Amino acid sequence: ETGVTQTPRHLVMGMTNKKSLKCEQHLGHNAMYWYKQSAKKPLELMFVYSLEERVENNSVPSRFSPECPNSSHLFLHLHTLQPEDSALYLCASSQSGGASDTQYFGPGTRLTVL
Amino acid sequence: KQEVTQIPAALSVPEGENLVLNCSFTDSAIYNLQWFRQDPGKGLTSLLLIQSSQREQTSGRLNASLDKSSGRSTLYIAASQPGDSATYLCAVRDRRSNDYKLSFGAGTTVTVRA
Repeated sequence: ETGVTQTPRHLVMGMTNKKSLKCEQHLGHNAMYWYKQSAKKPLELMFVYSLEERVENNSVPSRFSPECPNSSHLFLHLHTLQPEDSALYLCASSQSGGASDTQYFGPGTRLTVL
Repeated sequence: KQEVTQIPAALSVPEGENLVLNCSFTDSAIYNLQWFRQDPGKGLTSLLLIQSSQREQTSGRLNASLDKSSGRSTLYIAASQPGDSATYLCAVRDRRSNDYKLSFGAGTTVTVRA
């Protein structure tokens, strides 16, 4: 596996379910990101981790809970979601999180909340 | 708060025609601007990154210009091909916010007809 991978690629869940999204990067980067992409709307940054510490949380509801156990893995734990949370969730990584970094994106998880 | 706008939202051209995609941003105090490509159901691929001190960047058939003072960037794709069909996203990194945050436009979806 190379680059940034995400699993599952598609997920359908009910509002009372608990599920987790997984992201893994094979680039040796130190920063990882979660983005939400809703239809016809700009990408929204949700969380940023640098060296496994959360450095940004863009006022995301607590029903989304990130976890970064090491610099290669990032999880997004989901519980009691709402239908409006249906979106494409993208993971990205970059070398250090600095301003000159290029972010490398995974293919995304298409989430549908019924 | 930085606002990034991309016009048009969708564009359809015959093969061989040159493409012109526009991006505007409200706060000219940017560190850099980046153009991404997104294929349906997939993540983002970085195409070009322009530092705030630069006026343009070129890669093959792609050329991106930056006019920071007027808050505009244009992506030119010469001699379009059906394989260029995708959504093109513009993103800016502000000087006023932290290092990690990219502000995205909603994208321009391009269809190149064979």
